[in-house]
Amino acid sequence: QVQVVQSGAEVEKPGASVKVSCKASGYIFSGYYFHWVRQAPGQGLEWMGWINPKSGATDYAQRFQGRVTMTRDTSINTAYMELSRLRSDDTAMYYCAGWAPGGTALDIWGQGTMVTVSS
Amino acid sequence: EIVLTQSPGTLSLSPGERATLSCRASQSVSSSYLAWYQQKPGQAPRLLIYGASSRATGIPDRFSGSGSGTDFTLTIGRLEPEDCAVYYCQQFGSSLTFGGGTKVEIK
Repeated sequence: QVQVVQSGAEVEKPGASVKVSCKASGYIFSGYYFHWVRQAPGQGLEWMGWINPKSGATDYAQRFQGRVTMTRDTSINTAYMELSRLRSDDTAMYYCAGWAPGGTALDIWGQGTMVTVSS
Repeated sequence: EIVLTQSPGTLSLSPGERATLSCRASQSVSSSYLAWYQQKPGQAPRLLIYGASSRATGIPDRFSGSGSGTDFTLTIGRLEPEDCAVYYCQQFGSSLTFGGGTKVEIK
């Protein structure tokens, strides 16, 4: 069973950075692209970008350029999303979601990581 | 960036009724990269439909997708109580965008 498990909730102060992890089981890690999507409380879904764990290539949504960094550690099948210069409106649930090789949608989702930005 | 506009914002129907959800794009979208997701309260989204009309694994056949170009539709053939959720459309062209969602309520 393909699974994606994310790290636990975080509370950060404005101006700080947060790093969320996403661990994939089995063979999927090298094949899937991992996207990061966030959802502010009571709001819709917002795409942040993707990483190809095999090559390390990334593509970020324009509004997060310069503030987001997506990395991976292939030795432990884990992808990371780091968001810097946090503001209160970055308070949201952050999801990683997998896009299968040759696929056309996000067919596997992590359980989400709640990030709260508060002074 | 392609903007997806979903309507209606909220749909309130009785069990057994048919639900029709609309997703309109600001410019033409490849049908291959048009998907629909279901999100229940407190849960992560779940893929329902990919390629505009193909059901994902394990999705009941009362869910169907159609459309092309700038107009896409998700239809829930006969509503069941467990279909109470928010439904999002999504496209992936040069970047990925989601629609604002349609909330389906069961009377």
